[in-house]
Amino acid sequence: AQKITQTQPGMFVQEKEAVTLDCTYDTSDPSYGLFWYKQPSSGEMIFLIYQGSYDQQNATEGRYSLNFQKARKSANLVISASQLGDSAMYFCAMRERLTGGGNKLTFGTGTQLKVEL
Amino acid sequence: NAGVTQTPKFQVLKTGQSMTLQCAQDMNHNSMYWYRQDPGMGLRLIYYSASEGTTDKGEVPNGYNVSRLNKREFSLRLESAAPSQTSVYFCASRPTGYYNQPQHFGDGTRLSIL
Repeated sequence: AQKITQTQPGMFVQEKEAVTLDCTYDTSDPSYGLFWYKQPSSGEMIFLIYQGSYDQQNATEGRYSLNFQKARKSANLVISASQLGDSAMYFCAMRERLTGGGNKLTFGTGTQLKVEL
Repeated sequence: NAGVTQTPKFQVLKTGQSMTLQCAQDMNHNSMYWYRQDPGMGLRLIYYSASEGTTDKGEVPNGYNVSRLNKREFSLRLESAAPSQTSVYFCASRPTGYYNQPQHFGDGTRLSIL
């Protein structure tokens, strides 16, 4: 079974600084995908960035980038130039193929990020 | 853009009552999902539907049933609510065949069982 581990329950960062949120995973499937979602206090789940297991380059989306280290089975999210609006819960999730067709996401327990002035 | 719509947004039930949570998506997605979110545990899959006409159990299906009414709608039913089912419920959908496409989530239903 797949497993996603986020070891940082809470993180603080100062505005305009960069922050790294850790995510490690475990799977026996050679084809997998890793997703990061943001959940602000209002509760909705917002997709941020995706990294595929066969992707040659680390994914980037604006201020978000993934530090993908396949051998270490880690997919850390880097947020550059933090803003107050980045304060939220962040979830790492892994795509798992299902025998019945389609796929599902296995989520980590999340990291609560607080951006301070 | 409506995306994934969940109703209701909030609900309080008494133990033993039944309820159906509704979910509809307007993105023509094949796959739909129900998750629950509890403090400190992330999101856990309750049931999913890979395509219209099929449903399968996820990680925590006990106490729930689902219906994939058509391609757009996927409902979650609690037949006899228990306090342990107090949670935030999320419905999600995604297209099939696009491995890098994320799941799109509704805004959630906050359910309290007294």
